[in-house]
Amino acid sequence: DAKTTQPNSMESNEEEPVHLPCNHSTISGTDYIHWYRQLPSQGPEYVIHGLTSNVNNRMASLAIAEDRKSSTLILHRATLRDAAVYYCILRDGGYGGATNKLIFGTGTLLAVQP
Amino acid sequence: GAVVSQHPSRVICKSGTSVKIECRSLDFQATTMFWYRQFPKQSLMLMATSNEGSKATYEQGVEKDKFLINHASLTLSTLTVTSAHPEDSSFYICSARDQGGGETQYFGPGTRLLVL
Repeated sequence: DAKTTQPNSMESNEEEPVHLPCNHSTISGTDYIHWYRQLPSQGPEYVIHGLTSNVNNRMASLAIAEDRKSSTLILHRATLRDAAVYYCILRDGGYGGATNKLIFGTGTLLAVQP
Repeated sequence: GAVVSQHPSRVICKSGTSVKIECRSLDFQATTMFWYRQFPKQSLMLMATSNEGSKATYEQGVEKDKFLINHASLTLSTLTVTSAHPEDSSFYICSARDQGGGETQYFGPGTRLLVL
């Protein structure tokens, strides 16, 4: 499984945008870039995913570098409820399909200050 | 979005007993479910991939005879921790992907196991 590298922690102020970086220099052509977040004592929550193009949804935006070796999760206006551990994960969308696994790294602990 | 439930949410048991944790996909069918374990202040560790109607696939280092997985239907997978010991105390989380396709993987709320 291709690995990702994220900062251990980041801080943000409430109502300001947050850019969470992720490096994945060994990404393969069939790897999807997934972002999940986990609040304390809860299961992970899906945030967004993409393959090549930038993606937007109601929670966040995902900016993918042209060479796909890095990506950035963008929270447009951080709230206190966004404080969580954010995981950037690569999942092989090729042969194997649904059984291909999500392998979690250490993620980025985001603190949001009021 | 799709919902995955787990039962129980927390359980306390005595050392040597067995504990069963259920994972259900509530509004979709899942041929494949995944079981993770998470120790305090650590990331999620994949334990096994549960396949409906067939044997589970275990990750390296996970004892298949200790962590029994059954995936009898498209909406239910169970994890049984047999002869539990204090070192098995952890947060167990299941996950599923809609067999109808799509990349999104949905996670349950987790089950906290404490073995005394």
